[in-house]
Amino acid sequence: GNSVTQMEGPVTLSEEAFLTINCTYTATGYPSLFWYVQYPGEGLQLLLKATKADDKGSNKGFEATYRKETTSFHLEKGSVQVSDSAVYFCALRAAGNKLTFGGGTRVLVKP
Amino acid sequence: GAVVSQHPSRVICKSGTSVKIECRSLDFQATTMFWYRQFPKQSLMLMATSNEGSKATYEQGVEKDKFLINHASLTLSTLTVTSAHPEDSSFYICSASKPDGETYNEQFFGPGTRLTVL
Repeated sequence: GNSVTQMEGPVTLSEEAFLTINCTYTATGYPSLFWYVQYPGEGLQLLLKATKADDKGSNKGFEATYRKETTSFHLEKGSVQVSDSAVYFCALRAAGNKLTFGGGTRVLVKP
Repeated sequence: GAVVSQHPSRVICKSGTSVKIECRSLDFQATTMFWYRQFPKQSLMLMATSNEGSKATYEQGVEKDKFLINHASLTLSTLTVTSAHPEDSSFYICSASKPDGETYNEQFFGPGTRLTVL
């Protein structure tokens, strides 16, 4: 079956530090890949997506590239802010409209 | 925008009682709604998919008689946890699917409902 594995948190960073959250997946066919973010007390929000190999999704300074050869979709941001503190979920969508999520990574950015 | 609300945000109930959770799409009509369950420090697990006017499709291992889903309109789906027990305590999250003109329908998530069964 489909699965998503992402690094466990929490990840604690200082403001302006570089952030990487690793995500790898297992799926049949050619899934679409997503990063969702969940801010405290809020629902999940789509952060970025990529629908085919070598696509790069980007939003709010975050980037992730769909790497078919390594089955990865690592999330990166060059300079984090306190407001980036949240839980980040990697997910894939294969057949149909069902999403398969990774376990989530909590990120805490300190001033 | 595409806003999804859930009510209540938090509920505590006694073992053996039933609890109903509502999921509403506030500014769009949702063709499909999804119900997820999230355990502490774990991922979201899809419980069921519901389409307006038809029976929900449950994921393997989810008891349909335990978790009753009613999708009565294009803006409202309800999840009823029947005869709740402490092991049903969890964070329940719904999402609503809105066609976006591309090849897939983006899901918009509610803020979740924390259920605690004593």
